[in-house]
Amino acid sequence: GAGVSQSPSNKVTEKGKDVELRCDPISGHTALYWYRQSLGQGLEFLIYFQGNSAPDKSGLPSDRFSAERTGGSVSTLTIQRTQQEDSAVYLCASSPGQRQETQYFGPGTRLLVL
Amino acid sequence: ELKVEQNPLFLSMQEGKNYTIYCNYSTTSDRLYWYRQDPGKSLESLFVLLSNGAVKQEGRLMASLDTKARLSTLHITAAVHDLSATYFCAVDAGGTSYGKLTFGQGTILTVHP
Repeated sequence: GAGVSQSPSNKVTEKGKDVELRCDPISGHTALYWYRQSLGQGLEFLIYFQGNSAPDKSGLPSDRFSAERTGGSVSTLTIQRTQQEDSAVYLCASSPGQRQETQYFGPGTRLLVL
Repeated sequence: ELKVEQNPLFLSMQEGKNYTIYCNYSTTSDRLYWYRQDPGKSLESLFVLLSNGAVKQEGRLMASLDTKARLSTLHITAAVHDLSATYFCAVDAGGTSYGKLTFGQGTILTVHP
Protein backbone atom coordinates (compact mmCIF):
# COMPACT_ATOMS: atom_id res chain seq x y z
CA GLY A 1 0.00 0.00 0.00
CA ALA A 2 0.93 3.65 -0.15
CA GLY A 3 3.41 4.95 2.36
CA VAL A 4 3.60 8.31 4.10
CA SER A 5 3.61 11.15 1.62
CA GLN A 6 4.73 14.73 2.13
CA SER A 7 4.45 17.87 0.07
CA PRO A 8 6.13 19.86 -1.21
CA SER A 9 9.30 17.83 -1.54
CA ASN A 10 11.36 21.02 -1.68
CA LYS A 11 10.54 24.55 -0.60
CA VAL A 12 12.64 27.67 -0.94
CA THR A 13 11.35 30.75 0.82
CA GLU A 14 12.51 34.16 1.89
CA LYS A 15 13.17 35.04 5.50
CA GLY A 16 10.01 36.33 7.14
CA LYS A 17 7.56 34.45 4.94
CA ASP A 18 5.15 31.79 6.24
CA VAL A 19 5.29 28.21 4.96
CA GLU A 20 2.96 25.22 5.20
CA LEU A 21 4.18 21.65 5.01
CA ARG A 22 1.75 18.80 4.46
CA CYS A 23 1.80 15.18 5.56
CA ASP A 24 -0.49 12.35 4.45
CA PRO A 25 -0.03 9.37 6.78
CA ILE A 26 -0.53 5.73 5.91
CA SER A 27 -4.26 5.01 5.72
CA GLY A 28 -5.61 3.86 9.06
CA HIS A 29 -2.67 5.09 11.11
CA THR A 30 -3.94 7.10 14.06
CA ALA A 31 -0.56 8.32 15.33
CA LEU A 32 1.37 10.98 13.41
CA TYR A 33 4.71 12.55 14.24
CA TRP A 34 6.76 15.46 12.95
CA TYR A 35 10.55 15.51 13.20
CA ARG A 36 13.20 17.87 11.89
CA GLN A 37 16.61 16.86 10.57
CA SER A 38 19.40 19.39 10.27
CA LEU A 39 23.17 19.20 10.12
CA GLY A 40 23.65 21.01 13.39
CA GLN A 41 20.94 19.41 15.50
CA GLY A 42 20.49 15.94 14.01
CA LEU A 43 17.02 14.41 14.18
CA GLU A 44 14.67 16.23 16.57
CA PHE A 45 11.13 15.43 17.64
CA LEU A 46 8.67 18.29 17.05
CA ILE A 47 5.11 17.14 17.78
CA TYR A 48 2.96 14.03 18.08
CA PHE A 49 -0.72 13.56 17.21
CA GLN A 50 -3.05 10.79 18.35
CA GLY A 51 -6.09 11.25 16.18
CA ASN A 52 -6.65 14.98 15.94
CA SER A 53 -5.20 15.70 19.39
CA ALA A 54 -1.62 16.69 20.08
CA PRO A 55 -0.71 15.32 23.53
CA ASP A 56 2.95 16.21 23.09
CA LYS A 57 4.02 19.51 21.54
CA SER A 58 7.20 19.68 23.56
CA GLY A 59 9.53 19.70 20.60
CA LEU A 60 8.16 22.74 18.80
CA PRO A 61 11.11 25.16 18.89
CA SER A 62 9.14 28.39 19.18
CA ASP A 63 5.66 29.86 18.95
CA ARG A 64 6.29 30.47 15.25
CA PHE A 65 5.73 26.74 14.77
CA SER A 66 2.26 25.21 14.86
CA ALA A 67 0.64 22.05 13.58
CA GLU A 68 -2.82 20.70 13.13
CA ARG A 69 -4.41 17.49 12.05
CA THR A 70 -7.89 17.20 10.65
CA GLY A 71 -10.14 14.19 10.18
CA GLY A 72 -7.55 12.02 11.89
CA SER A 73 -5.57 12.00 8.67
CA VAL A 74 -3.73 14.86 6.95
CA SER A 75 -1.50 17.08 9.05
CA THR A 76 -0.10 20.52 8.31
CA LEU A 77 3.00 22.01 9.94
CA THR A 78 3.07 25.79 9.68
CA ILE A 79 6.12 27.95 10.25
CA GLN A 80 5.43 31.66 10.52
CA ARG A 81 7.97 34.39 9.87
CA THR A 82 10.60 31.88 8.79
CA GLN A 83 14.20 32.34 9.87
CA GLN A 84 17.35 30.96 8.30
CA GLU A 85 17.80 28.56 11.20
CA ASP A 86 14.51 26.92 10.21
CA SER A 87 16.25 25.48 7.14
CA ALA A 88 16.13 21.70 7.53
CA VAL A 89 14.41 18.57 6.31
CA TYR A 90 11.02 18.16 7.94
CA LEU A 91 10.05 14.52 8.28
CA CYS A 92 6.63 13.13 9.01
CA ALA A 93 6.02 9.62 10.35
CA SER A 94 2.95 7.59 11.20
CA SER A 95 2.14 4.42 13.12
CA PRO A 96 -1.03 2.43 13.76
CA GLY A 97 -1.35 4.06 17.18
CA GLN A 98 -0.47 1.36 19.66
CA ARG A 99 2.63 1.30 21.82
CA GLN A 100 5.82 -0.38 20.74
CA GLU A 101 5.24 0.19 17.08
CA THR A 102 7.51 1.14 14.24
CA GLN A 103 7.12 4.67 12.98
CA TYR A 104 7.07 4.80 9.17
CA PHE A 105 8.71 7.88 7.76
CA GLY A 106 7.81 9.93 4.71
CA PRO A 107 10.33 11.28 2.20
CA GLY A 108 10.54 14.67 3.91
CA THR A 109 10.25 18.30 2.86
CA ARG A 110 13.54 20.09 2.33
CA LEU A 111 13.07 23.68 3.46
CA LEU A 112 15.58 26.38 2.59
CA VAL A 113 15.11 29.86 4.03
CA LEU A 114 17.11 32.51 2.21
CA GLU B 1 16.36 14.44 29.64
CA LEU B 2 16.96 11.34 27.55
CA LYS B 3 20.26 11.31 25.70
CA VAL B 4 21.22 8.79 23.04
CA GLU B 5 24.80 8.39 21.91
CA GLN B 6 26.15 6.30 19.08
CA ASN B 7 29.68 5.29 18.33
CA PRO B 8 31.49 5.35 16.16
CA LEU B 9 30.07 8.28 14.21
CA PHE B 10 32.08 7.36 11.12
CA LEU B 11 32.93 3.81 10.10
CA SER B 12 34.96 2.84 7.06
CA MET B 13 34.98 -0.90 6.45
CA GLN B 14 36.36 -3.29 3.91
CA GLU B 15 34.01 -5.69 2.26
CA GLY B 16 33.91 -8.99 4.07
CA LYS B 17 34.82 -7.58 7.48
CA ASN B 18 32.72 -7.53 10.65
CA TYR B 19 32.02 -4.57 12.89
CA THR B 20 29.66 -3.34 15.61
CA ILE B 21 27.90 -0.01 16.11
CA TYR B 22 27.03 0.87 19.69
CA CYS B 23 24.06 2.85 20.99
CA ASN B 24 23.99 4.01 24.61
CA TYR B 25 21.07 5.80 26.21
CA SER B 26 20.71 7.61 29.48
CA THR B 27 17.33 6.67 30.98
CA THR B 28 15.29 3.52 31.36
CA SER B 29 13.58 2.31 28.22
CA ASP B 30 12.55 -1.01 26.76
CA ARG B 31 11.80 0.25 23.26
CA LEU B 32 14.67 0.81 20.88
CA TYR B 33 14.63 1.17 17.12
CA TRP B 34 17.25 1.01 14.40
CA TYR B 35 16.80 2.92 11.14
CA ARG B 36 18.81 3.20 7.96
CA GLN B 37 19.06 6.35 5.85
CA ASP B 38 20.54 6.50 2.35
CA PRO B 39 21.82 9.88 1.09
CA GLY B 40 18.94 12.20 0.21
CA LYS B 41 16.39 9.62 1.31
CA SER B 42 14.13 9.15 4.28
CA LEU B 43 14.44 6.71 7.18
CA GLU B 44 13.87 3.01 6.66
CA SER B 45 13.00 0.86 9.66
CA LEU B 46 15.43 -2.00 10.30
CA PHE B 47 14.66 -3.39 13.74
CA VAL B 48 12.35 -2.90 16.71
CA LEU B 49 13.70 -4.18 20.04
CA LEU B 50 11.11 -4.35 22.78
CA SER B 51 12.59 -6.24 25.72
CA ASN B 52 15.79 -6.94 27.56
CA GLY B 53 17.84 -9.52 25.70
CA ALA B 54 15.96 -9.05 22.45
CA VAL B 55 17.93 -10.05 19.38
CA LYS B 56 16.81 -9.51 15.80
CA GLN B 57 18.61 -10.49 12.61
CA GLU B 58 18.05 -9.59 8.99
CA GLY B 59 20.63 -10.63 6.43
CA ARG B 60 24.06 -9.36 7.46
CA LEU B 61 22.70 -7.16 10.27
CA MET B 62 21.95 -8.26 13.82
CA ALA B 63 20.66 -5.99 16.58
CA SER B 64 20.49 -6.64 20.30
CA LEU B 65 19.24 -4.82 23.38
CA ASP B 66 20.51 -4.86 26.97
CA THR B 67 18.14 -2.66 28.96
CA LYS B 68 20.13 -3.05 32.18
CA ALA B 69 23.25 -1.67 30.54
CA ARG B 70 21.13 0.78 28.49
CA LEU B 71 22.98 -0.44 25.42
CA SER B 72 22.03 -1.67 21.98
CA THR B 73 24.38 -3.00 19.35
CA LEU B 74 24.08 -3.32 15.59
CA HIS B 75 26.48 -5.97 14.33
CA ILE B 76 27.50 -6.12 10.70
CA THR B 77 28.73 -9.46 9.37
CA ALA B 78 30.79 -9.77 6.18
CA ALA B 79 30.01 -6.25 5.02
CA VAL B 80 29.03 -5.55 1.42
CA HIS B 81 28.94 -2.25 -0.46
CA ASP B 82 25.13 -2.13 -0.38
CA LEU B 83 25.25 -1.64 3.38
CA SER B 84 26.84 1.79 2.96
CA ALA B 85 24.39 4.24 4.58
CA THR B 86 23.80 6.16 7.80
CA TYR B 87 22.44 4.11 10.69
CA PHE B 88 20.44 5.66 13.51
CA CYS B 89 19.29 4.21 16.78
CA ALA B 90 16.27 5.79 18.45
CA VAL B 91 14.84 5.35 21.91
CA ASP B 92 11.25 5.77 23.05
CA ALA B 93 11.27 6.92 26.66
CA GLY B 94 7.67 5.82 27.11
CA GLY B 95 5.33 7.03 29.83
CA THR B 96 3.99 10.49 29.04
CA SER B 97 6.61 10.71 26.29
CA TYR B 98 5.29 7.64 24.49
CA GLY B 99 5.98 7.81 20.77
CA LYS B 100 8.52 10.59 21.09
CA LEU B 101 11.71 9.14 19.67
CA THR B 102 15.08 10.49 20.68
CA PHE B 103 17.68 9.71 18.03
CA GLY B 104 21.39 9.13 18.22
CA GLN B 105 23.71 11.20 16.07
CA GLY B 106 23.90 8.55 13.39
CA THR B 107 26.79 6.38 12.20
CA ILE B 108 27.95 6.96 8.64
CA LEU B 109 29.04 3.58 7.30
CA THR B 110 31.13 3.29 4.15
CA VAL B 111 32.02 -0.15 2.83
CA HIS B 112 35.01 -0.30 0.48
CA PRO B 113 35.89 -3.07 -1.98
